[in-house]
Amino acid sequence: LAKTTQPISMDSYEGQEVNITCSHNNIATNDYITWYQQFPSQGPRFIIQGYKTKVTNEVASLFIPVDRKSSTLSLPRVSLSDTAVYYCLVGVHSGSARQLTFGSGTQLTVLP
Amino acid sequence: DTEVTQTPKHLVMGMTNKKSLKCEQHMGHRAMYWYKQKAKKPPELMFVYSYEKLSINESVPSRFSPECPNSSLLNLHLHALQPEDSALYLCASSQEGWPGTGGNEQFFGPGTRLTVL
Repeated sequence: LAKTTQPISMDSYEGQEVNITCSHNNIATNDYITWYQQFPSQGPRFIIQGYKTKVTNEVASLFIPVDRKSSTLSLPRVSLSDTAVYYCLVGVHSGSARQLTFGSGTQLTVLP
Repeated sequence: DTEVTQTPKHLVMGMTNKKSLKCEQHMGHRAMYWYKQKAKKPPELMFVYSYEKLSINESVPSRFSPECPNSSLLNLHLHALQPEDSALYLCASSQEGWPGTGGNEQFFGPGTRLTVL
């Protein structure tokens, strides 16, 4: 069974850069990699999406190596309000089918 | 309007009850999704509707029955649930039917917290 894995938790201090990596060995060939943020008792919120190399928007950057078997979400200068669970979302090959799979999630705690 | 709304916010039901969850979006999206999320776990895809037709059913038990009356509405009918079905049920929508496509990110609602007694 293909798995999409992330570190369970990370701690950081305000103002630091945080990098969260997702491993997706069996990513579907044409699928993009998407990252979401989730606060308690809320639905996930879109952060960034990419297919290869590097993508940057106003809140984050996404780094994807050539083999696309992993991706790294980079949050510059985090604040207390960035404390949340972060998920990657990819389509993975599952037998002959393609399955939409969230990563295991990373609890980011930003400390003052 | 970039909002997905879900009702009710909370639902408590017995194992013999029949209830429905409702989801609505007015972004013109043609794909809508139901997810189930247990505590401290990632969301798990249940169903995908694309252009009002069921396109993906992730082997969900028949006690969960989805319905898409039109492109803006998505329902999840519940019957004879088990206590282990207690979870946060999330609805999402996107432009097209596969969120792995570029520019096709999903917008999620706040969820319905379901408790089965």
